[in-house]
Amino acid sequence: EVQLLESGGGLVQPGGSLRPPPRLSCAASGFTFSDYAMSWVRQAPGKGLEWVSGISGSGGRTYYADSVKGRFTISRDNSKNTVYLQMNSLRAEDTAVYYCAKETPGAAVFDMWGLGTMVTVSS
Amino acid sequence: DIQMTQSPSSLSASVGDRVTITCRASQGISNYLAWYQQRPGKVPKLLIYGASTLQSGVPSRFSGSGSGTDFTLTISSLQPEDVATYYCQRYNSAPLTFGGGTKVEIK
Repeated sequence: EVQLLESGGGLVQPGGSLRPPPRLSCAASGFTFSDYAMSWVRQAPGKGLEWVSGISGSGGRTYYADSVKGRFTISRDNSKNTVYLQMNSLRAEDTAVYYCAKETPGAAVFDMWGLGTMVTVSS
Repeated sequence: DIQMTQSPSSLSASVGDRVTITCRASQGISNYLAWYQQRPGKVPKLLIYGASTLQSGVPSRFSGSGSGTDFTLTISSLQPEDVATYYCQRYNSAPLTFGGGTKVEIK
């Protein structure tokens, strides 16, 4: 069974200067992880879906939304079947549920989603 | 960036009604368009990709059409379990973008 399990969310101070900025993790199982590109998609409370970042199966290509470019970094460890999202310089508007999503082969369409992890940016 | 505009933002229809949701791209995206269903409190679920290809396991009452800039998601006979918010998503190039969503309720 294909499964995606996110972790690492919580309450974070704006800017992240008073504690280490969060790194979200998404552990995958049930498929050959390195064969698939992965993405992070977020959803602010009561709002719609926003694509955040994507990474190719090998990890050699990464993509970002303009809203997070230069602040967030996506990476993956195929030996651990895990994709990460390092989040720096956090703002209140980054508050959202962050979903990990598996892409279909050859198309950035998401056929499997994790349950999400909540990140709250507040002082 | 290419923007995706959905209409209406919400609708209310009776069980058995035909429901149509529209998604418009600010530039042509060929058929690189997907539709998702998000039931209340649940994660999104892929319904359609390639504008008109039904994802495995999705009921046949769902269908998609369109190409270029104008796309449609149709539910041929609305069922109670179709209460959800529906999102379109373009995937012709990064950054990927979603439409604002259409909330479907039962009248």
